[in-house]
Amino acid sequence: GEDVEQSLFLSVREGDSSVINCTYTDSSSTYLYWYKQEPGAGLQLLTYIFSNMDMKQDQRLTVLLNKKDKHLSLRIADTQTGDSAIYFCAVPALYQTGANNLFFGTGTRLTVIP
Amino acid sequence: NAGVTQTPKFQVLKTGQSMTLQCAQDMNHEYMSWYRQDPGMGLRLIHYSVGAGITDQGEVPNGYNVSRSTTEDFPLRLLSAAPSQTSVYFCASSTGQGETEAFFGQGTRLTVV
Repeated sequence: GEDVEQSLFLSVREGDSSVINCTYTDSSSTYLYWYKQEPGAGLQLLTYIFSNMDMKQDQRLTVLLNKKDKHLSLRIADTQTGDSAIYFCAVPALYQTGANNLFFGTGTRLTVIP
Repeated sequence: NAGVTQTPKFQVLKTGQSMTLQCAQDMNHEYMSWYRQDPGMGLRLIHYSVGAGITDQGEVPNGYNVSRSTTEDFPLRLLSAAPSQTSVYFCASSTGQGETEAFFGQGTRLTVV
C-alpha cells in the first residue's frame, strides 16, 4: 500500500507561519488532501490539491506540491491558537480517484504557543 | 443534515465479546469506509463499500466484518474482541467522485480489556 510520512510534532508561536510536510510513494495520486482533527472530534477536510497543480492558496493556507519528489506541504500563515490540532496528509489508494480509500499519514500535532 | 453519525461514542468490551459499531449517513453517499486511528499510525482503512450490497477489504480487515444492506448504513462488527482492537474508529462517507470531500463521523473510542 501507499506510504505516507509526516513528522509527529510541530510547535510555533502565535503569529508565525507553520509548515507541515508530507511525503508519499504513489505517483498516480490525482488528488492530495489535508485534513484537520481537533481534540475529541472527527476529521474535517481542510484543503486539497489536484496533482497537475504546483500550488494552491486558500486564505491563510498554501499547499505546495512537488510531484517529482512526491512531497506535499501545508503552510498556515499567521498561525492562531485555534489552529492547534492534528493535521493529516491523505492520498487516495492506487488507481482510485475519489475521496474513498484514503491512505493517511501519521498526523502532525501542531501546538501554537501564545 | 446530521452528516455521518456514529454510535456509541465510547465502549468498553471484554476480550472475546462481540459488538457492532453503527454508522449512518444522510447525504445519499455511495461510498462509505471504516478506519481505525492508533497513536503514531494515522488512520488505517479497515473495510469500505462502494454501494449497497458491495463491500471490500481495506488495509487492516482481520477481526472485522461489514455489510451494506442500505445506502445509509454501514455497520462494523467485531466478532471476538481482542485487546489489539483497542482504538478509535471512524466512519466516513463520500460521493467517491473526483476531489470530493470525505465526511467523517465523530468517532467511537473502543477499549478491549
